Amino acid sequence: GESVGLHLPTLSVQEGDNSIINCAYSNSASDYFIWYKQESGKGPQFIIDIRSNMDKRQGQRVTVLLNKTVKHLSLQIAATQPGDSAVYFCAETITGGFKTIFGAGTRLFVKA
Amino acid sequence: EPEVTQTPSHQVTQMGQEVILRCVPISNHLYFYWYRQILGQKVEFLVSFYNNEISEKSEIFDDQFSVERPDGSNFTLKIRSTKLEDSAMYFCASSPRQGTNEKLFFGSGTQLSVL
Repeated sequence: GESVGLHLPTLSVQEGDNSIINCAYSNSASDYFIWYKQESGKGPQFIIDIRSNMDKRQGQRVTVLLNKTVKHLSLQIAATQPGDSAVYFCAETITGGFKTIFGAGTRLFVKA
Repeated sequence: EPEVTQTPSHQVTQMGQEVILRCVPISNHLYFYWYRQILGQKVEFLVSFYNNEISEKSEIFDDQFSVERPDGSNFTLKIRSTKLEDSAMYFCASSPRQGTNEKLFFGSGTQLSVL
């Protein structure tokens, strides 16, 4: 049978293409959202964040889009490179709170 | 660049034994966290710690778990009597500002295997 715990959504892209990773968050009260990248054997690393008063934020090669109406986040990676291969997690938190909650994660494979 | 360091990188223990996982957060950070990740699954919040006390904890963080900041640099997670289901990667994180409206800096984790 399937090992549910080992099944992550997977996105496979060609090097140089753009990648879009989607995430649905759970708490409508969350007002700060973060994307983390986790490479094999390492802890999550911050990529980009966005606050609820914005719907788009751009970084270097990455863009985060926030749709509060449907509680949806996306991470866009431009010109995806082999070094972008990792698991990507969205995370949500509430201002004044003391915990950040992670989503399920998406595994990105970049084919050279 | 400052980083969160965790020791040991791997810990193997027998069921029922106590383990202590150690972390050195980034020096000017005020908030400290423990998360765990069972193989292939998402990163789960365990506990947050500020001003020498627990700020918030999850349902996972039951009476078998405790945290301590024994001195000005270390932050520890103790599991009093380990169970098989405690096997996971444990991540320490720290944050520089009040509250969690600020990104977290993670260590590389301690892989705990309970036999």
